[in-house]
Amino acid sequence: GQQLNQSPQSMFIQEGEDVSMNCTSSSIFNTWLWYKQEPGEGPVLLIALYKAGELTSNGRLTAQFGITRKDSFLNISASIPSDVGIYFCAGQLRNNDMRFGAGTRLTVKP
Amino acid sequence: EAQVTQNPRYLITVTGKKLTVTCSQNMNHEYMSWYRQDPGLGLRQIYYSMNVEVTDKGDVPEGYKVSRKEKRNFPLILESPSPNQTSLYFCASSPPRGVSYNSPLHFGNGTRLTVT
Repeated sequence: GQQLNQSPQSMFIQEGEDVSMNCTSSSIFNTWLWYKQEPGEGPVLLIALYKAGELTSNGRLTAQFGITRKDSFLNISASIPSDVGIYFCAGQLRNNDMRFGAGTRLTVKP
Repeated sequence: EAQVTQNPRYLITVTGKKLTVTCSQNMNHEYMSWYRQDPGLGLRQIYYSMNVEVTDKGDVPEGYKVSRKEKRNFPLILESPSPNQTSLYFCASSPPRGVSYNSPLHFGNGTRLTVT
């Protein structure tokens, strides 16, 4: 199946710093999504992107759907300790089929 | 409360002993799916179901079975579990695309399976 390359694999940052992570693919997706997973829980949707070029914000989070429909990035501004977790990108096809990146593990030091 | 419920949350079993992980959603979603999560590999799809009595293989279906006899339930069956099926499993559901653009997946809280 289509593969998503997510980077970086992990990040260790200081509270207050900005964070950036991205996903690329050799395939085109109709929708890009970003999920966050906290320990002991399932992934929770953060942002969904439905159009190429779309830039969407959710509080301190901003994500963009790449023009080529093969990539997306997620930025977190002014990180706080509760931002800790694993962030997954996902590309969704027309039939609801979804492919996930390997995840970015974020650690925020107070 | 709208949710996807998996049971059990934790399971330790031995090689070859059949087991079933249940998944139930109360959102009347047509689409349901099973994923396994392994370190460094993200979430890989095992099986999915577009609606009742319709199931299809995902990327890693070997060693698993599913059934979709009713809309709310989508159990995952391991007929003869092996150690390489030790993993964290997630069930997810969503409305079908076309009903609404807002059809991202809703996940359960996971089932951690250990096969010895």
